[in-house]
Amino acid sequence: QSALTQPASVSGSRGQSITISCTGTSSDVGRYNYVSWYQQYPGKAPKLMIYDVSNRPSGVSNRFSGSKSGNTASLTISGLQAEDEADYYCISYTSSSTLIFGGGTKLTVL
Amino acid sequence: QVQLQESGPGLVKPSQTLSLTCTVSGGSINSGGSYWSWIRQRPAKGLEWIGYIYYRGSTSYNPSLKSRVTISVDTSKNHFSLNLSSVTAADTAVYYCARDQGSGYGSFDYWGQGTLVTVSS
Repeated sequence: QSALTQPASVSGSRGQSITISCTGTSSDVGRYNYVSWYQQYPGKAPKLMIYDVSNRPSGVSNRFSGSKSGNTASLTISGLQAEDEADYYCISYTSSSTLIFGGGTKLTVL
Repeated sequence: QVQLQESGPGLVKPSQTLSLTCTVSGGSINSGGSYWSWIRQRPAKGLEWIGYIYYRGSTSYNPSLKSRVTISVDTSKNHFSLNLSSVTAADTAVYYCARDQGSGYGSFDYWGQGTLVTVSS
């Protein structure tokens, strides 16, 4: 199975909104509403930000939102803050009952 | 508050078997609906899902690693383990264990801190 496709990097200014895409196939992202998003700081374990496409765990800022259209899921961060600068990963359940991550996106806050 | 802690050798020789254990505290590994995963991250690379186990023993593995991976669970010790055989330098990575709150669908709500395993002679 090939990794889900994410842009290697995105950037945005403080206060702006950005969107990170995660493109899969009809066997994973397109087939199930089981896409999650993770935030990871250098040297730290990832943190769950969004699960089941658009659900936010308790304690995660409502500036983070998720959506899906066809084979592409998206993570949107509104009102960018300096603390949002991190790596972001998507993951999807697949028709083989396995899981597959995206390649990761480095977010830079200008 | 559930906590996970990885343990095992930090250095493994090529061709040998990498063995790690993840001890769960603050909750039972028998929790209904909880799947327990291993995930790794090679140096300066992205996350890679290795596989998961349900407390009753059912497993699923990454197809690219399936021939070399075994994940097991010991409910009496509240821990689960990873064995990765025939390792090479390409298996050098930080290995994380994590709890999947969503029945194996990839929503990992609790993570261990990660443990670096280096494959070298």
